[in-house]
Amino acid sequence: GENVEQHPSTLSVQEGDSAVIKCTYSDSASNYFPWYKQELGKGPQLIIDIRSNVGEKKDQRIAVTLNKTAKHFSLHITETQPEDSAVYFCAANDSGGSYIPTFGRGTSLIVHP
Amino acid sequence: ETGVTQSPTHLIKTRGQQVTLRCSSQSGHNTVSWYQQALGQGPQFIFQYYREEENGRGNFPPRFSGLQFPNYSSELNVNALELDDSALYLCASTPRGLEGADTQYFGPGTRLTVL
Repeated sequence: GENVEQHPSTLSVQEGDSAVIKCTYSDSASNYFPWYKQELGKGPQLIIDIRSNVGEKKDQRIAVTLNKTAKHFSLHITETQPEDSAVYFCAANDSGGSYIPTFGRGTSLIVHP
Repeated sequence: ETGVTQSPTHLIKTRGQQVTLRCSSQSGHNTVSWYQQALGQGPQFIFQYYREEENGRGNFPPRFSGLQFPNYSSELNVNALELDDSALYLCASTPRGLEGADTQYFGPGTRLTVL
């Protein structure tokens, strides 16, 4: 089955800095890569996603890049704000068509004011 | 549009007991998946329900079972609770067969503590 590795486990930045979270996956047939943000006491919420036919996608301060050859994808957050502090999860979907994602272990992002 | 809701929000049980958690899917979504999230970990897939039948299962024992009802809502049942079952249980719905079918829309979760 799919295996997703996520790094770093903790990331501490100053407000206004950029943050980068990296993930690798094992199944070359995976074709959908969502990123979720989980705030304390809440369920994960989708913030951005990318499909295997696209190399990069951007939404305001958030961008995701995908390298299919190397089987890794990254989340980039620019101009970080304290409200960006949360746990971020990457995921890769099940290539069998049931759309069941495998999640990374999460990155705790702390943005200091 | 109503999001995914779960009940109860918190639950405390003792080892050996049984528990039932409930989930209402987002409006228009016909598929429900359940996940277990231990502290400091990512969500682990338990199983998925589509058309009231189990449609995929992760590495969880048979004492984890579920149901889906005609209105697409779902239940997760856990028998013979163990201490390691303490976790946040997340429900997610998707509109299988429609645009956006590969995105999981999560509820707020039920925090289960087993003593």
